[in-house]
Amino acid sequence: AQRVTQPEKLLSVFKGAPVELKCNYSYSGSPELFWYVQYSRQRLQLLLRHISRESIKGFTADLNKGETSFHLKKPFAQEEDSAMYYCAFLIQGAQKLVFGQGTRLTINP
Amino acid sequence: NAGVMQNPRHLVRRRGQEARLRCSPMKGHSHVYWYRQLPEEGLKFMVYLQKENIIDESGMPKERFSAEFPKEGPSILRIQQVVRGDSAAYFCASSPLTAGSGGTYEQYFGPGTRLTVT
Repeated sequence: AQRVTQPEKLLSVFKGAPVELKCNYSYSGSPELFWYVQYSRQRLQLLLRHISRESIKGFTADLNKGETSFHLKKPFAQEEDSAMYYCAFLIQGAQKLVFGQGTRLTINP
Repeated sequence: NAGVMQNPRHLVRRRGQEARLRCSPMKGHSHVYWYRQLPEEGLKFMVYLQKENIIDESGMPKERFSAEFPKEGPSILRIQQVVRGDSAAYFCASSPLTAGSGGTYEQYFGPGTRLTVT
């Protein structure tokens, strides 16, 4: 089955604390993985993708094929990071994204 | 570039009516995708279209749902004889190229249309 699991619906951390949003995927092929973010009253936008191995707004995510995970991390959370985060992968040979349920991250002052 | 446009942003329909959702892709984008988000769930793929062609409709319900992307004008997602279970947020995305074509692939999302069936 092709599936993305984000086990935490809600995650709340204090400003300055480390944050990790978990994402596990189930896919028999070699996926291309993404993190999308939706800030309040804004549209869904790409945060980062695993193939570019970049850090955006201090966030990083490493693909672990052995654990089939793509957790999103940031060492020091900021209040502006409060948003809805979706993990997704692209089905190889197709053009469709498979999304997880999303995690609502709240950064407390 | 105004980004992907969707209208209406909110749509209320009574059971049995038709719903038409419109999506204008970003300028220069010829690939359009529709996703549906039911309450408390993630986005689920419905259909992928190019101009005048449906490429992949594997996520579309078999009945009452149809989509088109004409040569001129926006892409339309049409739901006939709506039922309460169709209440959801419908998102459109567009991209300038296909995944695997060698470039950096990204789907750009619109703000969504929230459909409420009463």
